[in-house]
Amino acid sequence: SQTIHQWPATLVQPVGSPLSLECTVEGTSNPNLYWYRQAAGRGLQLLFYSVGIGQISSEVPQNLSASRPQDRQFILSSKKLLLSDSGFYLCAWIHPGLTYGYTFGSGTRLTVV
Amino acid sequence: AQSVTQLDSHVSVSEGTPVLLRCNYSSSYSPSLFWYVQHPNKGLQLLLKYTSAATLVKGINGFEAEFKKSETSFHLTKPSAHMSDAAEYFCVVSDLMFSGGYNKLIFGAGTRLAVHP
Repeated sequence: SQTIHQWPATLVQPVGSPLSLECTVEGTSNPNLYWYRQAAGRGLQLLFYSVGIGQISSEVPQNLSASRPQDRQFILSSKKLLLSDSGFYLCAWIHPGLTYGYTFGSGTRLTVV
Repeated sequence: AQSVTQLDSHVSVSEGTPVLLRCNYSSSYSPSLFWYVQHPNKGLQLLLKYTSAATLVKGINGFEAEFKKSETSFHLTKPSAHMSDAAEYFCVVSDLMFSGGYNKLIFGAGTRLAVHP
């Protein structure tokens, strides 16, 4: 069966520290991968998507970056966190070509202090 | 461009009473619409989806939604609320005109549902 793993579940980091959130998918190959962020009181906003290894597209300019070093691994990073980076981060995947059937990870609650 | 508006940020109901969560969408073509639920500190769970088949869509846990093109609405309903329904609900549209040929989900701001005994 197909599963998606996201970690850590919660993270408290000081301003200016680096960030690395990891997402892995099992049971499928060549998935489309997404990073979404939910700021307090707001809906989810797409940050990055990837359709293959090394292929990253950014939706909004920000302090974050993403990488896809392996087919089923998607990493969200920052060199120096800002207070505004706090939020709930969700990884998701879908089979290429489908318009529904997204599967979301359980999320990472990031608090920048 | 596609967009979604959830008309209520908070809805409070008593257990056993009906639930109505309102959603309006904007789309230049026939959209795919979804409702997702998010329980505290959990990921998203798909409640139901509309993909141009029947306009009345039944989902999990007794929820259903009706696609009304004339009103550009996709309201979520449940006849009788349960305490376990307390969560945040997102109305979502799938953007089929995403650059590069892929699609993305566009989320509403969410409606927090509270259920009182």
